[in-house]
Amino acid sequence: SQQGEEDPQALSIQEGENATMNCSYKTSINNLQWYRQNSGRGLVHLILIRSNEREKHSGRLRVTLDTSKKSSSLLITASRAADTASYFCATDTVTGANSKLTFGKGITLSVRP
Amino acid sequence: SQTIHQWPATLVQPVGSPLSLECTVEGTSNPNLYWYRQAAGRGLQLLFYSVGIGQISSEVPQNLSASRPQDRQFILSSKKLLLSDSGFYLCAWGRGQARYGYTFGSGTRLTVV
Repeated sequence: SQQGEEDPQALSIQEGENATMNCSYKTSINNLQWYRQNSGRGLVHLILIRSNEREKHSGRLRVTLDTSKKSSSLLITASRAADTASYFCATDTVTGANSKLTFGKGITLSVRP
Repeated sequence: SQTIHQWPATLVQPVGSPLSLECTVEGTSNPNLYWYRQAAGRGLQLLFYSVGIGQISSEVPQNLSASRPQDRQFILSSKKLLLSDSGFYLCAWGRGQARYGYTFGSGTRLTVV
């Protein structure tokens, strides 16, 4: 079953603009992660935010987490055409010492040159 | 450094034929291993995960099975493929509680005809 739901499903912006993508989830989490997937390729891990963190930065990426609203957002600043890809949020719901990542359906980001 | 290999990249198989997809990890020991399937326009569905040799957990009932004969080898199999088995299969490895995210293979595009 889908734990994370991304919003919007598709986003088209001009190069240089900021892209904001949102993710909502349903159950308690250990951490939330964002991944990127270029067409026909595997997923690449972008950033992880733990349940006790509220904001995290990595280069042009900024992720926020609001556990009271069970939501997260990923901001890509100063977007580039190379940022065109699908972006997925994934929630880690801890089961003992193991983990299982549950992914949303993804957001298709198009950055126009 | 750790690497993950997945093959083949593409596969076209007739209905009723067997399937064997292989995934191997290098540069780490005792990884958690995962098989995901991604249908067109949908998110990733966790099929199987393994926390050790011979230990397989199945997430959804289906026509597929998984095995882990060696610490860093994970195999996805089917005795008789169905049309509905078509999709993009991704292998991934991670550590307990996914603290550092998962590393994904490059995927196998399976088309059952």
